Amino acid sequence: DQQVKQNSPSLSVQEGRISILNCDYTNSMFDYFLWYKKYPAEGPTFLISISSIKDKNEDGRFTVFLNKSAKHLSLHIVPSQPGDSAVYFCAAIKQGGSEKLVFGKGTKLTVNP
Amino acid sequence: GAGVSQSPSNKVTEKGKDVELRCDPISGHTALYWYRQSLGQGLEFLIYFQGNSAPDKSGLPSDRFSAERTGGSVSTLTIQRTQQEDSAVYLCASSFSRTGGYQPQHFGDGTRLSIL
Repeated sequence: DQQVKQNSPSLSVQEGRISILNCDYTNSMFDYFLWYKKYPAEGPTFLISISSIKDKNEDGRFTVFLNKSAKHLSLHIVPSQPGDSAVYFCAAIKQGGSEKLVFGKGTKLTVNP
Repeated sequence: GAGVSQSPSNKVTEKGKDVELRCDPISGHTALYWYRQSLGQGLEFLIYFQGNSAPDKSGLPSDRFSAERTGGSVSTLTIQRTQQEDSAVYLCASSFSRTGGYQPQHFGDGTRLSIL
């Protein structure tokens, strides 16, 4: 059973426009949600996180929105830049115990110049 | 460097051989994780080490997989009698662990394992 789902395998946007990456989850016990960015042949890089008690967290061009009732979160990138082209993974964690990350399968974002 | 270091970066081996993968976490990080990413999939948790506590091995797919963490620092993941389905990128991550709040995991660049 996939607890974290990213239903769009790919997304293409124009430079300067907004990129919106979506993620759905099934486990209401998750405490934190994270977004990681991954370039080819590199490890995932932490981008931004949000606590389950918040509904928005912003860091520069990146904003994550959490809708707990819908079990849905999204990452907004404004304005999008060609260097943002990468695979974005949504992940969730339940604190206590091993605190392992549960990942979605990723969305490949392409930002066209 | 200051990041998580993994070696080798690539490993090609024949089916049935044993392999050993190494992870050097960020200095001072007490928590260490192994994940793997198979083709077209998300990252899958394998094992977790935290200080001197017993590791959480719940993600290991079979008894051919084992891991150690010596001295609370370097970790090795060993796969015995490798099978073709073991082909994947094996990623190591580390983090601080403290009460309250959350400290994100920082990943190495992984070892790409190919079983012929």
